[in-house]
This record gives sequence, structure tokens and C-alpha cells, in this order.
Amino acid sequence: AQSVTQPDIHITVSEGASLELRCNYSYGATPYLFWYVQSPGQGLQLLLKYFSGDTLVQGIKGFEAEFKRSQSSFNLRKPSVHWSDAAEYFCAVGYGGATNKLIFGTGTLLAVQP
Amino acid sequence: KAGVTQTPRYLIKTRGQQVTLSCSPISGHRSVSWYQQTPGQGLQFLFEYFSETQRNKGNFPGRFSGRQFSNSRSEMNVSTLELGDSALYLCASSLYVTGELFFGEGSRLTVL
Repeated sequence: AQSVTQPDIHITVSEGASLELRCNYSYGATPYLFWYVQSPGQGLQLLLKYFSGDTLVQGIKGFEAEFKRSQSSFNLRKPSVHWSDAAEYFCAVGYGGATNKLIFGTGTLLAVQP
Repeated sequence: KAGVTQTPRYLIKTRGQQVTLSCSPISGHRSVSWYQQTPGQGLQFLFEYFSETQRNKGNFPGRFSGRQFSNSRSEMNVSTLELGDSALYLCASSLYVTGELFFGEGSRLTVL
């Protein structure tokens, strides 16, 4: 069965520092992979997606993610974190085919220190 | 372009009651999905509709149901509410079948 693991529940970084959020997935075929962000009291916003092709994908707000098939990973990175990046980040895998169903990881809550 | 609109944003019910939540997708989007978000279980898929047809359903009891109308608006209903149904219910719409979802702000249900 498809699954997504985000091993870090909480991460605290200093403003200006680099960030990497980990995501591992389990899926039998080529996955569709996503990172979403959720601010308190809000819905989810898509940061970036991977369907195929270049394994390094760029997203909004200066985020990027790299798909590594050999490691079943899709880690999210940002070179310099801003205080406004404090939020909860969710990695998700899509089944593809004729459905938009997503399996989400448990999320990583990011705190940014001044 | 207006985003996904969910109503009501907040509601309080008591055990045994039923509730109906509404979702208006982005104009032109025909796919609507519903997710339940709780601190303990995280984000869980409820169901997905496309052109008024339920295309996929998650592992929830039959008390959870939904439908989609010809204008793509969707409703979900939970009957015989239980305390564990307290959650943020998120609706998302999509233009294509790729998993690229646009979420509303959710309806927060509290069951007392």
C-alpha cells in the first residue's frame, strides 16, 4: 500500500539558515509527488510537484525539491528561511491514473527563530 | 479568479446530530475531493467526485456521504455524529487528474 513518511515532526531553524524537510514514500509505480504548506487556520497550498522528467523541481516561495528514486525520497529544501515560512509542511503521493486521491504524510511543523 | 469556498467555516454540533458541509470549487474545475484533518490521524481522504460521479472513496464508515451537483458544487454529510468526528474538513478542487489540488480553508466541526 502507498504510504508517505515524514520523519521530523518538529523542526526549528534560525532565520536565514538553510532548510531541508525529509519525505520518503512507498509506491509501486512512478509516483506523482507533492509538497503542500498549511498556515494556522488555513487550507493547504501547493508548493511544488513532480510528475516526471528533471528530478530537481522548483516551486513557489523559493522552495525546491529533489526526487531520488533509489532512495524513495522527495526532500524539500530552501537555501535561506524567512520568518514567514513558519508553517506545517506536508508531503503527499498521488496515485495518478484516473484519480486525484492523495496520501499525505503526517506533516513537519517548522518554527523559525529570529 | 475565486478560490475554493467552503461553508460554514465553523460549526458546533452535539452527538447524534447530522451535519452538511458545502464546497464551491474554482470555476471550471470538475473534480472535487474531501479530506478530514485531525491531530491524531492527520489528513485522510474521504471521497472524490468528478462530473457528479463518485470516483473514489476512502475508508470511512457509511455515516459519511457526499454528492456533487451539475454545477460542480459538492456537499458532504455526516450522520449520527460522534465525538471523534470533530475535525477540519477540507475540500479541494482540481482541473486535471494529476493530484494538483486547490484547497479551501476548511470547515471546522466540533462535536460535543
